[in-house]
Amino acid sequence: AQTVTQSQPEMSVQEAETVTLSCTYDTSENNYYLFWYKQPPSRQMILVIRQEAYKQQNATENRFSVNFQKAAKSFSLKISDSQLGDTAMYFCAFSRTQGGSEKLVFGKGTKLTVNP
Amino acid sequence: EPEVTQTPSHQVTQMGQEVILRCVPISNHLYFYWYRQILGQKVEFLVSFYNNEISEKSEIFDDQFSVERPDGSNFTLKIRSTKLEDSAMYFCASRGRRAGGRETQYFGPGTRLLVL
Repeated sequence: AQTVTQSQPEMSVQEAETVTLSCTYDTSENNYYLFWYKQPPSRQMILVIRQEAYKQQNATENRFSVNFQKAAKSFSLKISDSQLGDTAMYFCAFSRTQGGSEKLVFGKGTKLTVNP
Repeated sequence: EPEVTQTPSHQVTQMGQEVILRCVPISNHLYFYWYRQILGQKVEFLVSFYNNEISEKSEIFDDQFSVERPDGSNFTLKIRSTKLEDSAMYFCASRGRRAGGRETQYFGPGTRLLVL
């Protein structure tokens, strides 16, 4: 069974600075997807970024980028130029690419606070 | 941009009552999911649905739960006899492409269920 671990329950960062959220996962699959979802106080789940395991290049979306280390099974999220609106819970998630429904397996989340 | 919608946004019910949570997935998506999030905990997979049948379900999804796509647009989750521990946020998701992007799961805003 796949597991996702987020070892930082809470983090804080000053506005305009950079912060990195950690995520590790365990799987025997070779092909899979990894995601970061953001959950603001409204509790909506918003996709931040997605990475295909077969791609060596790290995904980027504007101020958000990942450091994907497949051998180490590590998938960290870097937020540059942090903004107050980035304050939220961040969930790392895994899904298989085949042989199933591609359900998402989530970590427990990291609560990020951006301070003015 | 098309979105997943869910109704109601909040529901309060008495223990033992039946509840039906409704979702309208994005129209060209083919895979549908229900997840739940107990307050303060991680998001957990309940069930996935494809081609009018369940493709995968978790241990949580016992005989008290059922899903249905009654009319080709709505996707419902029914809890037959609610328990206190069913109190949670329930998220619907659909998987597919949106606005030319990559295939991924898009979440609705959630239904907050409180069982008294």
